[in-house]
Amino acid sequence: KNQVEQSPQSLIILEGKNCTLQCNYTVSPFSNLRWYKQDTGRGPVSLTIMTFSENTKSNGRYTATLDADTKQSSLHITASQLSDSASYICVVSAGDKLTFGTGTQLKVEL
Amino acid sequence: DAGVIQSPRHEVTEMGQEVTLRCKPISGHDYLFWYRQTMMRGLELLIYFNNNVPIDDSGMPEDRFSAKMPNASFSTLKIQPSEPRDSAVYFCASRARGQAETQYFGPGTRLLVL
Repeated sequence: KNQVEQSPQSLIILEGKNCTLQCNYTVSPFSNLRWYKQDTGRGPVSLTIMTFSENTKSNGRYTATLDADTKQSSLHITASQLSDSASYICVVSAGDKLTFGTGTQLKVEL
Repeated sequence: DAGVIQSPRHEVTEMGQEVTLRCKPISGHDYLFWYRQTMMRGLELLIYFNNNVPIDDSGMPEDRFSAKMPNASFSTLKIQPSEPRDSAVYFCASRARGQAETQYFGPGTRLLVL
């Protein structure tokens, strides 16, 4: 069964600090891996997408890594801002079908 | 483009009533997806369409749920009869052709069944 597990479930950090979110998956056949950001009350918005051959992808202060051998991905947020407070969802594609993680709830505080 | 449009944004109904959720995908997108999100289960794919044709409805919970896409610019998700356990946020998303294309999500419909 295709599964995506994320950790931690929730996280609180101080503004300006860095943090790293983890994603482990057992999805086959692997097509690509996306990280989405979902603000409260809104739909998810794509941050990064990586295919099998890519091991890192950046989008501003967000940097995603992918280790296809160990089936792990991470999302690193640098110099966090209050606006980074959101749920971060790891999504792995097998063809057209997506498997979603349950997300990491991040709160950035002053 | 206005993005994916969903209506209504909020729906409160009583158990047993019919509920219809509506979605207008981004113009030119070939794929349309319906998702349900709850605190307990996160995002779940219910059904998706390619060129208006349902491709995979294995995520539809039961016969009370049905979805249609009569044309490229409109889709509905219907629940009949609704039950309290259907309370969730329902998202519609669309994307262009190509598996690497990004899915764009609508704002969601927050459904509460009393």
